[in-house]
Amino acid sequence: ETGVTQSPTHLIKTRGQQVTLRCSSQSGHNTVSWYQQALGQGPQFIFQYYREEENGRGNFPPRFSGLQFPNYSSELNVNALELDDSALYLCASSWDGQVDTQYFGPGTRLTVL
Amino acid sequence: KNEVEQSPQNLTAQEGEFITINCSYSVGISALHWLQQHPGGGIVSLFMLSSGKKKHGRLIATINIQEKHSSLHITASHPRDSAVYICACHSGGGADGLTFGKGTHLIIQP
Repeated sequence: ETGVTQSPTHLIKTRGQQVTLRCSSQSGHNTVSWYQQALGQGPQFIFQYYREEENGRGNFPPRFSGLQFPNYSSELNVNALELDDSALYLCASSWDGQVDTQYFGPGTRLTVL
Repeated sequence: KNEVEQSPQNLTAQEGEFITINCSYSVGISALHWLQQHPGGGIVSLFMLSSGKKKHGRLIATINIQEKHSSLHITASHPRDSAVYICACHSGGGADGLTFGKGTHLIIQP
């Protein structure tokens, strides 16, 4: 067990809708990274939050946004869902942006119809 | 941008065989991870390497910084080792996350 939890486990949405995915980091970890993993692919970096501020971003459009809260939980929000957003979304927590020591959550499987 | 390539993409072997999975990357890194992902998605970190070799039980990971190459070995493989093994690199840029390979789907048959 990594101490990182995600909810929900599975989610089905329709194109154009908005979705919020949640992650609870390991206690004391002030950094959370979000990744998108399409079927058959390796995860792709979406963004990282450090002490409640966005600290880095991959090649994802602005309709992917996030929040991080003082209690180490965080959210990934996706607006105007597209079919290609169907994927496994993973969060990973670490301490002080140390990406080389990340603890991954089990992921949320999002299906967009 | 770092390109991370893994080989093979798929590997089926018999229980007890020695397994090797390879990872190559294109630019210098500060750390390389080997991760294990079981059906359903959960990812477990197996190793984090910046040089040399690490061993944990039947798993061995090596890295050659000059050649930009890492290998993950499994000795005395077992059906419970069946999973997707992913190589991920951190280029040391701080907030740029990890760059992942596509993974190697390993099946160990009894």
